[in-house]
Amino acid sequence: SQTIHQWPATLVQPVGSPLSLECTVEGTSNPNLYWYRQAAGRGLQLLFYSVGIGQISSEVPQNLSASRPQDRQFILSSKKLLLSDSGFYLCAWSLLGTEAFFGQGTRLTVV
Amino acid sequence: AQSVAQPEDQVNVAEGNPLTVKCTYSVSGNPYLFWYVQYPNRGLQFLLKYITGDNLVKGSYGFEAEFNKSQTSFHLKKPSALVSDSALYFCAVRVFYGGSQGNLIFGKGTKLSVKP
Repeated sequence: SQTIHQWPATLVQPVGSPLSLECTVEGTSNPNLYWYRQAAGRGLQLLFYSVGIGQISSEVPQNLSASRPQDRQFILSSKKLLLSDSGFYLCAWSLLGTEAFFGQGTRLTVV
Repeated sequence: AQSVAQPEDQVNVAEGNPLTVKCTYSVSGNPYLFWYVQYPNRGLQFLLKYITGDNLVKGSYGFEAEFNKSQTSFHLKKPSALVSDSALYFCAVRVFYGGSQGNLIFGKGTKLSVKP
């Protein structure tokens, strides 16, 4: 069966520090991968999606970047965090046209 | 523009009563529709989907949803609510661009509160 792992679960980082959140998927090949952010409140904002290794599409201009170095690995990064980067980050995967499956999320607090 | 709307920020239901969480959508072409549930500080869990076929789809934990094309709605329902159903519920639609893989667009979420 397929599983998705996302870590860390919580993270407190100072303003200006770098960020690296990792997400891996097991049990499937060539998934579509996504990073979402859920700000306080509730709405989900799509940040990045990837349909293959090295293929990244950005949905919104921001302080973050994403990379997909391997088929089932998706990394969210920042060189210098801002206070506004605080939020709940969710990684997800799907196959073409199907539902997406989400990781457990990372609560990022920038202080 | 493609969009999905959840008109209610919160729905309050007594345990044992039926519940409905509303969702309407606006897309070009045929929609793929989904419902998810989120418990505090957790990721989203998939509940059910409509792709094609029977307008009434059944999902996890006794939930079901009815696709209504004329009203462009996909309301989530459950005949008898449980306190443990209290959570945040998201409706989502998948859209396609020029035949290529589309992304999920989520509603803003509806908080369901079930009281004993």
